[in-house]
Amino acid sequence: ETGVTQTPRHLVMGMTNKKSLKCEQHLGHNAMYWYKQSAKKPLELMFVYNFKEQTENNSVPSRFSPECPNSSHLFLHLHTLQPEDSALYLCASSQYLEGGNNEQFFGPGTRLTVL
Amino acid sequence: AQTVTQSQPEMSVQEAETVTLSCTYDTSESDYYLFWYKQPPSRQMILVIRQEAYKQQNATENRFSVNFQKAAKSFSLKISDSQLGDAAMYFCAYRSFGGATNKLIFGTGTLLAVQP
Repeated sequence: ETGVTQTPRHLVMGMTNKKSLKCEQHLGHNAMYWYKQSAKKPLELMFVYNFKEQTENNSVPSRFSPECPNSSHLFLHLHTLQPEDSALYLCASSQYLEGGNNEQFFGPGTRLTVL
Repeated sequence: AQTVTQSQPEMSVQEAETVTLSCTYDTSESDYYLFWYKQPPSRQMILVIRQEAYKQQNATENRFSVNFQKAAKSFSLKISDSQLGDAAMYFCAYRSFGGATNKLIFGTGTLLAVQP
């Protein structure tokens, strides 16, 4: 158990649905991340939050909307997704954002299928 | 921009044997970190080993060791005495030293199978 949990583990949704992915870290970290993992492609960093403030948005379409109410929780709100958005969505956290030893701890991911 | 390349999509090793996974990267920076992550079928990505570019000594963690060749921009992972539990997807990753986003740049991964 790495201390980062994600729910749900699997999600199937239609293109007109609205759903949310949840991530929670129990490690006392201050930075949280969303990654997209598609088959045969490198992990893509989507969003970064530091002390609840968004510090990076890697040109992610607006149909993905992140929310970070506190340093322990991170959400990814989904609406009007496309089939190509089907992927494994990974959440990660680290103690700090800047400096040296900032190992990222990953959650188990949510397998999203968009029909 | 930095890139990470893993040229071996799949590898196979016999139990108790040694296997080496390759990784090359491209950067103009002189200070950075390199990582190997393991993602088993359960999907929880875990850090296997890390290397600071300013350190000449290769990092070692039990059965896992790296061959870091800074001039060649090569960072291979050697797994000794392979075990069935080593079967997983292995990702090589790069991170700039300092920087404000702690951004990891990943390769496409190598799927390692361990044969009993």
